Amino acid sequence: RKEVEQDPGPFNVPEGATVAFNCTYSNSASQSFFWYRQDCRKEPKLLMSVYSSGNEDGRFTAQLNRASQYISLLIRDSKLSDSATYLCALNQAGTALIFGKGTTLSVSS
Amino acid sequence: GAVVSQHPSWVICKSGTSVKIECRSLDFQATTMFWYRQFPKQSLMLMATSNEGSKATYEQGVEKDKFLINHASLTLSTLTVTSAHPEDSSFYICSATQGGGTEAFFGQGTRLTVV
Repeated sequence: RKEVEQDPGPFNVPEGATVAFNCTYSNSASQSFFWYRQDCRKEPKLLMSVYSSGNEDGRFTAQLNRASQYISLLIRDSKLSDSATYLCALNQAGTALIFGKGTTLSVSS
Repeated sequence: GAVVSQHPSWVICKSGTSVKIECRSLDFQATTMFWYRQFPKQSLMLMATSNEGSKATYEQGVEKDKFLINHASLTLSTLTVTSAHPEDSSFYICSATQGGGTEAFFGQGTRLTVV
């Protein structure tokens, strides 16, 4: 079983849509969880950290379910500029991030 | 946030030559840096963990004699792709954590094309 499983998509949605991505992970010792955004031919940029209590940043909401070992990202009111690849990532303190394959989102007008 | 600078951003080299990629932490000391490789439409795959003053730790399947890592100072790690071949063409990217934390700061990446 892979450490991090993520549906690669692509997700093609119209502007204004709500879209959700999920990742499952196998290592229950994982401590920190993140969502990154990666644009074509660029380095990944941190979108948000993910906490057990759930956290929100504008149109973006992240959730962590430790019991079921998955994290999610919800994007509301999608914009054209949200088109990108979204990667979930996790690690333990001091160790390298392990990434999912990434989910491609394409928002169209 | 902390800044990691990677150079060069792209390089084209002939098959059989070696290419060195530099990763610098500009405003913090990084005792540990990580090197990833990303093929088209694939995720970032960890290649190795670079530790200042000691040997790098390589992931399974990554040839340590082909991908030489040197981390001689607290702000610089280098990855040298030796005797590069077309199948080594990829996006190479480094990251570092600050103060043993969990947030990773990434370099801009290096797109290597071997012809």
